[in-house]
Amino acid sequence: AQKVTQAQTEISVVEKEDVTLDCVYETRDTTYYLFWYKQPPSGELVFLIRRNSFDEQNEISGRYSWNFQKSTSSFNFTITASQVVDSAVYFCALSSNDYKLSFGAGTTVTVRA
Amino acid sequence: GAVVSQHPSWVICKSGTSVKIECRSLDFQATTMFWYRQFPKQSLMLMATSNEGSKATYEQGVEKDKFLINHASLTLSTLTVTSAHPEDSSFYICSEAGGINEQFFGPGTRLTVL
Repeated sequence: AQKVTQAQTEISVVEKEDVTLDCVYETRDTTYYLFWYKQPPSGELVFLIRRNSFDEQNEISGRYSWNFQKSTSSFNFTITASQVVDSAVYFCALSSNDYKLSFGAGTTVTVRA
Repeated sequence: GAVVSQHPSWVICKSGTSVKIECRSLDFQATTMFWYRQFPKQSLMLMATSNEGSKATYEQGVEKDKFLINHASLTLSTLTVTSAHPEDSSFYICSEAGGINEQFFGPGTRLTVL
């Protein structure tokens, strides 16, 4: 069975602060994929990143960065210099070769001006 | 990535009626689509996997007679909520499988059952 845990339910920050979202996963598969999605109030899921289990390189994309550590089964996400537009629910998800996604509970990020 | 549309974007219906939600792949031939349900302030839960030309595969706990899925063409999957009740009110999201373990999500349909 696969499981994704996002322990932080809500995070509130002031603009320009950095915010890190934690994601811990469980799987017995050796090949798997990890994802982060953003869900703004409109509801539509926005794809942010996909990482396969064999690629542990960290990634930076603009103000977003991801830290993948297989040793601790974690795939954390950091928003640097947060902006009000970053306010959303962020989901971490996991899938194996069957494409089925297991989502974490989500973390609601509120960025105050 | 692929473009997926859903129709309607929102629907309000009376208890006991049936509601059909369409999920279309606009630029891709999707042999596999997925249907998710999301209750307010909760995560997305996979309901079923829809395969073109064959029966859908439902996740444990999802009533296949209540949530009818049809995937008759490579570009269209439909979810029909039969005899809807207020507890079926939710946000329904479809996605299509593409690439290497990728999913492209539709914008979602918000169902409210009175």
